[in-house]
Amino acid sequence: DADVTQTPRNRITKTGKRIMLECSQTKGHDRMYWYRQDPGLGLQLIYYSFDVKDINKGEISDGYSVSRQAQAKFSLSLESAIPNQTALYFCATSDLPRQGCYEQFFGPGTRLTVL
Amino acid sequence: GENVEQHPSTLSVQEGDSAVIKCTYSDSASNYFPWYKQELGKGPQLIIDIRSNVGEKKDQRIAVTLNKTAKHFSLHITETQPEDSAVYFCAASNGNSGYALNFGKGTSLLVTP
Repeated sequence: DADVTQTPRNRITKTGKRIMLECSQTKGHDRMYWYRQDPGLGLQLIYYSFDVKDINKGEISDGYSVSRQAQAKFSLSLESAIPNQTALYFCATSDLPRQGCYEQFFGPGTRLTVL
Repeated sequence: GENVEQHPSTLSVQEGDSAVIKCTYSDSASNYFPWYKQELGKGPQLIIDIRSNVGEKKDQRIAVTLNKTAKHFSLHITETQPEDSAVYFCAASNGNSGYALNFGKGTSLLVTP
């Protein structure tokens, strides 16, 4: 089984709809992240969480919100989706930095289309 | 905030040749520089990383070099193989932001047989 799972894998929705993307992990990591990927723009950080009580905005948090329901679950919501939020969304996890290891483990991604 | 520039955006090499991808960063506080490989339809995966107290790191056919003074770092792939074809991302981070990653825009590498 995959260590980091995302649901749904694909979603098509309409402008103005509320959408929730879910991420679960079995790696036991404290830190979780949401990134957005647009063609030619790399990955941009939306939100990150270092534990269930710690939520931080990334560089492009406007229009998004998150919920850390448990150590293993981190959800991303679009309260009122708009077409320019059409993108590929990735969840990632990492352990506490130790011995110079800061690796992030990415899920398979959710392709979201807003019409 | 941190700004990471990555070049080239596309790179085509013949099998067996070397490939070099270069990145620059703007924040002198950045001290961790990973490289991720993304294959089609998958999430990025770490292939090598380097910390600012080291100038070079090698892992088989892959090496990364770091020049802190010039604020640039590079990925070197030798003896390229078709399975090296993918999109490669550099990133920079530091402890001030909990090592959240700032990515470059990616390089699409194509290795032709």
